Amino acid sequence: DAGVIQSPRHEVTEMGQEVTLRCKPISGHNSLFWYRQTMMRGLELLIYFNNNVPIDDSGMPEDRFSAKMPNASFSTLKIQPSEPRDSAVYFCASSLAGLNTGELFFGEGSRLTVL
Amino acid sequence: GQQLNQSPQSMFIQEGEDVSMNCTSSSIFNTWLWYKQDPGEGPVLLIALYKAGELTSNGRLTAQFGITRKDSFLNISASIPSDVGIYFCAGQGGSYIPTFGRGTSLIVHP
Repeated sequence: DAGVIQSPRHEVTEMGQEVTLRCKPISGHNSLFWYRQTMMRGLELLIYFNNNVPIDDSGMPEDRFSAKMPNASFSTLKIQPSEPRDSAVYFCASSLAGLNTGELFFGEGSRLTVL
Repeated sequence: GQQLNQSPQSMFIQEGEDVSMNCTSSSIFNTWLWYKQDPGEGPVLLIALYKAGELTSNGRLTAQFGITRKDSFLNISASIPSDVGIYFCAGQGGSYIPTFGRGTSLIVHP
């Protein structure tokens, strides 16, 4: 079975450029999470969608970050303009909210480097 | 908000040794989860605990949900090189969203 699919796996870009990260959740899952992982802060929740609707975006660092989920099988996280401090690994995770078990299924991550 | 303290931050051990790590919380949780992240991959669930006092094993891994519902530990017995990675605890309270600890980085020397 296909797990959570993220792209790109790696991206190197220059400061000021727009970055778009993509995620395809597991089919049938109705909750989607975007996390950012750094050495300094560990795993930070950026935003959480339930049934394609953003429920909690309090973790989004600032207006440069935006996330969308136009349908149940696709989500994007956009950074515009990017800055060096945005360098991190960004994870997408999905789950079936109805189970309420807290188990998240993570993608392999997108490693972003902003020069 | 809820905070999780996970310790130790890192461990360097010899193959064959047992490992113990734990998480404590300032709040009560209804569920405790332990994930492992292999290098270059996303975290994967190892063990889930749903009841205070519950002790659950998965092969060489054993985890317990503390009686106070504010702590959990994970033990790994007879470590092997493939146990290398970052181990995260996560607690879930009234909110559906789990709160993650900072992780324990484990290095196993052959």
